[in-house]
Amino acid sequence: QLQLQESGPGLVKPSETLSLTCTVSGGSISSSTYCWGWIRQPPGKGLEWIGSIYYSGSTYYNPSLKSRVTISVDTSKNQFSLKLSSVTAADTAVYYCARADSSGNYYVKDYFHYWGQGTLVTVSS
Amino acid sequence: EIVLTQSPGTLSLSPGERATLSCRASQSVSSTYLAWYQQKPGQAPRLLIYGASSRATGIPDRFSASGSGTDFTLTISRLEPEDLAVYYCQQYGSSPRYTFGQGTKLEIK
Repeated sequence: QLQLQESGPGLVKPSETLSLTCTVSGGSISSSTYCWGWIRQPPGKGLEWIGSIYYSGSTYYNPSLKSRVTISVDTSKNQFSLKLSSVTAADTAVYYCARADSSGNYYVKDYFHYWGQGTLVTVSS
Repeated sequence: EIVLTQSPGTLSLSPGERATLSCRASQSVSSTYLAWYQQKPGQAPRLLIYGASSRATGIPDRFSASGSGTDFTLTISRLEPEDLAVYYCQQYGSSPRYTFGQGTKLEIK
């Protein structure tokens, strides 16, 4: 059974870089059948897609965050990572990693099938 | 950018009743690319529906969904206390690739 687990610091200072890693177990990250994404949820609020990556390294980012986001993949470790720079209190959220699957068109990974449990990152001095 | 608006914001119903949740898009969405998620308190979202109407593995047939164009509906027949959750719709598009509705909170009386 596929499992995803987020890891990283739970507290980040303003203006610094938030770094998280998602470890995938029970399946290989090296498949073109899926892509891998990060989604966040501020406390008490809704879900926001941050960005996604294919095992090949191709990335897609939310335009609202694009200037501050980098997502990378390490196939040897079956992991993918998120870096968000110049964080402020507005970046305080639960961060989820997830696998996106295709409902029809092989080339379109249109929904998030599997999710990690999420990790709370607080931005505060 | 396609904006998804969910209604109502909060729905309060009794066990055994039927819940109807709406998701309206600001532009037409391919029905293939509309999904629904359930998020129980303190948990990660769970996929319920993909492709507008296909139930994910393990999802009871009490959950059904339909819709096309700009109007989509999630229906939960015969509510159970465990259905207490926030429900989100999500679409896949051009930019940004994925957007979520703001959620409907389902309360069980």
